[in-house]
Amino acid sequence: GEDVEQSLFLSVREGDSSVINCTYTDSSSTYLYWYKQEPGAGLQLLTYIFSNMDMKQDQRLTVLLNKKDKHLSLRIADTQTGDSAIYFCAESMRANAGKSTFGDGTTLTVKP
Amino acid sequence: DTEVTQTPKHLVMGMTNKKSLKCEQHMGHRAMYWYKQKAKKPPELMFVYSYEKLSINESVPSRFSPECPNSSLLNLHLHALQPEDSALYLCASSQDAGGRTDTQYFGPGTRLTVL
Repeated sequence: GEDVEQSLFLSVREGDSSVINCTYTDSSSTYLYWYKQEPGAGLQLLTYIFSNMDMKQDQRLTVLLNKKDKHLSLRIADTQTGDSAIYFCAESMRANAGKSTFGDGTTLTVKP
Repeated sequence: DTEVTQTPKHLVMGMTNKKSLKCEQHMGHRAMYWYKQKAKKPPELMFVYSYEKLSINESVPSRFSPECPNSSLLNLHLHALQPEDSALYLCASSQDAGGRTDTQYFGPGTRLTVL
């Protein structure tokens, strides 16, 4: 079955780059997503990448996809204290008709 | 506009109460979802509605009853809940369910506490 794994914690200093990693098992994934969740809030869609792409950049966010290794990463440049949150990686497959598989989330702590 | 709204924001109910959670979107999306999320855990899918019809029920207990009155609205009716049902309930919507347009947009959630 599908499985999505992330490391649970990441701590960086303000101004540094953060890299959050995710691995997935199902090679038929169609889309891969990054969501951000701040305490007490819902999930905010940050960005997504289609499985036939290698890279996507959106302002401070860069998503890299290595389909061969089934590895997805999210790089946040110039990390700010407001970036402190839980980041979830998720995959969806065309055949799954609306079911996405989420990783357990990476808690990013940004220290001033 | 990529907004999904949910009401109420917080809900406290006893085990014998009946209450409802509401979700609304005006993005013209035809798929809507209910998730349950416990603290520090990923969201768990409960139900998916596609074109106002229930398409996925992830073996959710019958004390949770979803309803989709129209393409913009999704309700979750609650009855005889247990304390372990206390969680953040998230609604999401997507243009379609499955395929190129199933990117999900989430609401802020309803924090439910069952006493």
